[in-house]
Amino acid sequence: AQSVTQPDIHITVSEGASLELRCNYSYGATPYLFWYVQSPGQGLQLLLKYFSGDTLVQGIKGFEAEFKRSQSSFNLRKPSVHWSDAAEYFCAVGSGGYNKLIFGAGTRLAVHP
Amino acid sequence: NAGVTQTPKFQVLKTGQSMTLQCAQDMNHNSMYWYRQDPGMGLRLIYYSASEGTTDKGEVPNGYNVSRLNKREFSLRLESAAPSQTSVYFCASKGQRGGNTGELFFGEGSRLTVL
Repeated sequence: AQSVTQPDIHITVSEGASLELRCNYSYGATPYLFWYVQSPGQGLQLLLKYFSGDTLVQGIKGFEAEFKRSQSSFNLRKPSVHWSDAAEYFCAVGSGGYNKLIFGAGTRLAVHP
Repeated sequence: NAGVTQTPKFQVLKTGQSMTLQCAQDMNHNSMYWYRQDPGMGLRLIYYSASEGTTDKGEVPNGYNVSRLNKREFSLRLESAAPSQTSVYFCASKGQRGGNTGELFFGEGSRLTVL
């Protein structure tokens, strides 16, 4: 069965520091991979997605992610974090011909001034 | 443009009561979804409807029923609410641009408490 693991439940970084959020997936075929962000009390917003092609994908708000098939990973990165990036981040994999999206448990990011 | 609209936003129920969560999208999307979000568990798929007239079970369908009323609307019903169904429920929709490569658009969520 398809699954997504986000090993870090909480991460705290200082404003201006770099960020990497980890995501590992389990999927038999070529996956569709996504990162979503959820601000408090809000729904989810798409940051970026990978379907095929270039393994480094750029998203909104200065985020990027790299697909590494050999490691079954799709880690999210940002070179310099802003206080407004504090939120919960979810990695997800599309399955079933991408009729279903399976989410990881999420990583809550706190940003210190 | 409203996107995905869920009602109600908040609801408190007693054990055994029934209720229906409503969801409507105005983006002419084919697929619609119901997820529940619980602390430490991310979002888990309850049911989905890949197209009008079809519904399928997700990861956690027990205790729920759904109806795809038309292309716009997808409702989630709790027939006999249990405390374990206390959660935040999200409706989402997806178009079919480029052959299943569209993103999911989410509503703002419905917070349900079952006492």
